[in-house]
Amino acid sequence: EVQLLESGGGLVQPGGSLRLSCAASGFTFSNYAMSWVRQAPGKGLEWVSGIGGSGGSTNYADSVKGRFIISRDNSKNTLYLQMNSLRAEDTAVYYCARVKGGGDCTDYWGQGALVTVPS
Amino acid sequence: DIQMTQSPSTLSASVGDRVIITCRASQSISSWLAWYQQKPGKAPKLLIYKASSLESGVPSRFSGSGSGTEFTLTISSLQPDDFATYYCQQYNSYPLTFGGGTKVEIK
Repeated sequence: EVQLLESGGGLVQPGGSLRLSCAASGFTFSNYAMSWVRQAPGKGLEWVSGIGGSGGSTNYADSVKGRFIISRDNSKNTLYLQMNSLRAEDTAVYYCARVKGGGDCTDYWGQGALVTVPS
Repeated sequence: DIQMTQSPSTLSASVGDRVIITCRASQSISSWLAWYQQKPGKAPKLLIYKASSLESGVPSRFSGSGSGTEFTLTISSLQPDDFATYYCQQYNSYPLTFGGGTKVEIK
């Protein structure tokens, strides 16, 4: 059974940093690209970042480019999102998601981690 | 960036109704479109990928169609479990973008 478990969320002051982790199980982690998607309270979904299976290819939304870094450790089956220079508008539930083979849509999602940056 | 526009934003329907949700892309995305269902407090669930392919385990009352810039999600006979918010997403090019969502409410 595919499982994705996020951790590392919490309250952080503006300008601060936080690192989210996503522990994956139930599939061969290195064979799949992964994504982070966020959802601000009461709002829609926003794709944040994606990374290829080997970690050599990364992409970012304009809203986080230069502040967030996506990475992965395939030996630990873990995906990361390093978030720096956090702003109030980064407040959201952050979901880790597996990219479905053959395209960049996502077929499995974690339960989400809440990141709160007060204004 | 490719903008995705969903309509309507809210839809009131009854059990058994046929429901159609539309998604329009600001430029051609071929068939690189997915549909997701999200219930309150839960992660999204993939329903349809590549515009019309049904994800494994998803009931056949869900179907998708379209290509280029115009897409639809159809629920042939709305069931109680289908009251939720639906999102389209283009994955033709980065940054990947979602539509604003369509909330399907009980009439």
